[in-house]
Amino acid sequence: GAGVSQSPSNKVTEKGKDVELRCDPISGHTALYWYRQSLGQGLEFLIYFQGNSAPDKSGLPSDRFSAERTGGSVSTLTIQRTQQEDSAVYLCASSFTQETQYFGPGTRLLVL
Amino acid sequence: GENVEQHPSTLSVQEGDSAVIKCTYSDSASNYFPWYKQELGKRPQLIIDIRSNVGEKKDQRIAVTLNKTAKHFSLHITETQPEDSAVYFCAASRGGSQGNLIFGKGTKLSVKP
Repeated sequence: GAGVSQSPSNKVTEKGKDVELRCDPISGHTALYWYRQSLGQGLEFLIYFQGNSAPDKSGLPSDRFSAERTGGSVSTLTIQRTQQEDSAVYLCASSFTQETQYFGPGTRLLVL
Repeated sequence: GENVEQHPSTLSVQEGDSAVIKCTYSDSASNYFPWYKQELGKRPQLIIDIRSNVGEKKDQRIAVTLNKTAKHFSLHITETQPEDSAVYFCAASRGGSQGNLIFGKGTKLSVKP
């Protein structure tokens, strides 16, 4: 079936504005993850949803970051009052077995 | 929490040679260790993974070894080809309700024709 999709593919915003990033996981996958990848860097875990359980928010860098997952499928990552250091590629991944994760193409966020 | 160290950060080999990338992890409860390949501007793609009940796994030119006692695992690519050029990331997780991956910082592999 279709892979993980993310939108928008690119987002340019001004410092202080809020942004919403969307992730559509692979159909039937119960687990959904958000990661952040800064230029030339590794992947930093942000948040993890598993079924109807409370999400693991331990990776969120500040309270400006939040995420929700509606109906156990689509997820939205919201960054409030964006800062220049938030500029990065935001990657979403989903999995069925809670181990093998499949990544989306990412959203490239640039905060001016 | 888990910490994953990856070495080297860059690796250049001649086509046909072998390449080895090494990772160490700190959390003895980690039991799942995937490797991802990321080409420039593309998403990470899983190339091979290993679970803690196995010491070695092979898939054509790619192999991964795991030493649980020493808490390190390695990626081996034999007969490298230019299309193997990419950034490779190792990762570790506990699985289950703690399934998020902790990644190494990546190794940029360049295979020269």
